[in-house]
Amino acid sequence: DGGITQSPKYLFRKEGQNVTLSCEQNLNHDAMYWYRQDPGQGLRLIYYSQIVNDFQKGDIAEGYSVSREKKESFPLTVTSAQKNPTAFYLCASSMNTGGLAKNIQYFGAGTRLSVL
Amino acid sequence: GQNIDQPTEMTATEGAIVQINCTYQTSGFNGLFWYQQHAGEAPTFLSYNVLDGLEEKGRFSSFLSRSKGYSYLLLKELQMKDSASYLCAVRDPNDYKLSFGAGTTVTVRA
Repeated sequence: DGGITQSPKYLFRKEGQNVTLSCEQNLNHDAMYWYRQDPGQGLRLIYYSQIVNDFQKGDIAEGYSVSREKKESFPLTVTSAQKNPTAFYLCASSMNTGGLAKNIQYFGAGTRLSVL
Repeated sequence: GQNIDQPTEMTATEGAIVQINCTYQTSGFNGLFWYQQHAGEAPTFLSYNVLDGLEEKGRFSSFLSRSKGYSYLLLKELQMKDSASYLCAVRDPNDYKLSFGAGTTVTVRA
C-alpha cells in the first residue's frame, strides 16, 4: 500500500535523552515535513525538506534535528535541548510541481511523545 | 508573518448545515486548504481553493475570496461521523509551506 508510515505510535522519553521518530513514504514525493501539534493548537512546522540532502528550519526548530539522506525517509530527533517535548508529532509529504498545482500534503498517523 | 483565524468550536444537529469560516492575513498566498482531523488521528485532505469562488465536492464545499482574505467550508447533511476538527491552511508561494489555523472543533448532535 502506498502511504506514509510513522513509528513508533507512542514514545516515552526520559530526562536528558534524545529520541528519534521515524517517517517513511513510498509515494515518490520530493518534499517532506515535520509538524508538532499541542492540544487546542494548530500544526506548527518544525523542519521541512524539499529535496534529498537538503532541509530547512520551520517555525519551531529549536531542540530538534533532522536528516534527509534518502528520498523515502525523513527522521526527526527530539534532543535533550527540547524542554517541552510532550506533543503529537505528524510527518507529511507532497509533490512540489510548482505553479497552482495542488501539491497536497498527505500525513502519517502520528507519534505521540511523552516525557517520563 | 502568517495570521489565520477560525472559530474554536461549533455545534450542529445531524442533518443540518454548518459553515466554518477562516480569515487569513499572510505575507503571500498560493492556495488555501481544508483538512479534517478526527481526535488522535492524522489530518486528511478535504478541499483546495486557489482561485476565487466555490468548489463543491459531495456534501462538502469550500469558498474563497482572495481580496477579502476569507474562506469558508460548508458541510451539508451533517452526519455523526463529521464530528471532528477542521483545519484551514494557507500555502506560501515561495516554498510551499503550509501555515495552519488552530482548527475548529465541530460537534454533531443527534
